[in-house]
Amino acid sequence: QKEVEQDPGPLSVPEGAIVSLNCTYSNSAFQYFMWYRQYSRKGPELLMYTYSSGNKEDGRFTAQVDKSSKYISLFIRDSQPSDSATYLCASILQGAQKLVFGQGTRLTINP
Amino acid sequence: GAGVSQSPRYKVAKRGQDVALRCDPISGHVSLFWYQQALGQGPEFLTYFQNEAQLDKSGLPSDRFFAERPEGSVSTLKIQRTQQEDSAVYLCASRDRPMNTEAFFGQGTRLTVV
Repeated sequence: QKEVEQDPGPLSVPEGAIVSLNCTYSNSAFQYFMWYRQYSRKGPELLMYTYSSGNKEDGRFTAQVDKSSKYISLFIRDSQPSDSATYLCASILQGAQKLVFGQGTRLTINP
Repeated sequence: GAGVSQSPRYKVAKRGQDVALRCDPISGHVSLFWYQQALGQGPEFLTYFQNEAQLDKSGLPSDRFFAERPEGSVSTLKIQRTQQEDSAVYLCASRDRPMNTEAFFGQGTRLTVV
């Protein structure tokens, strides 16, 4: 079992829809939680990160972490075709260096 | 401001051939990482450098894989006697300091072993 699990999709929604992307993790020692966006044939780019539990909002994007259920979520409001990409959740242990990634969810926003 | 640069972008190797992949991190970045991303999968950690010191190589899949960063800037990932299962995208990432959470990734080198 992978330490961070993510449904690979693919997920296809119409433009303007609210998108919900989710991950679960098994290691309760994870402290930092990230969402990366990866366009085709590009490297991942950091969208948002949160420390421990709670919500964080940045424009159309909201990240949520629920440590009690080991659940990580990313919500995209008013989705745009330019949001079409693979979304990767990732976690880091406190004091550690390496990112532990989920499998990635491929998202398509249809105009 | 240049980002993380990787070369070559694409590499085709015959099985058994040795390859070397290069990473130029963002100038001044202390931390450097190598990840391997198989098709349809998330990146998997290979190794981590802090300056020239390789502090974690727990993700290297076999002794055919070797990484170095001799002067604390440019890094090279070498794969000896390549095998088909080595086919993947190899990503390099850098951070300005160890405790910063944001890592910047390069575009990767796509290695195909035939």
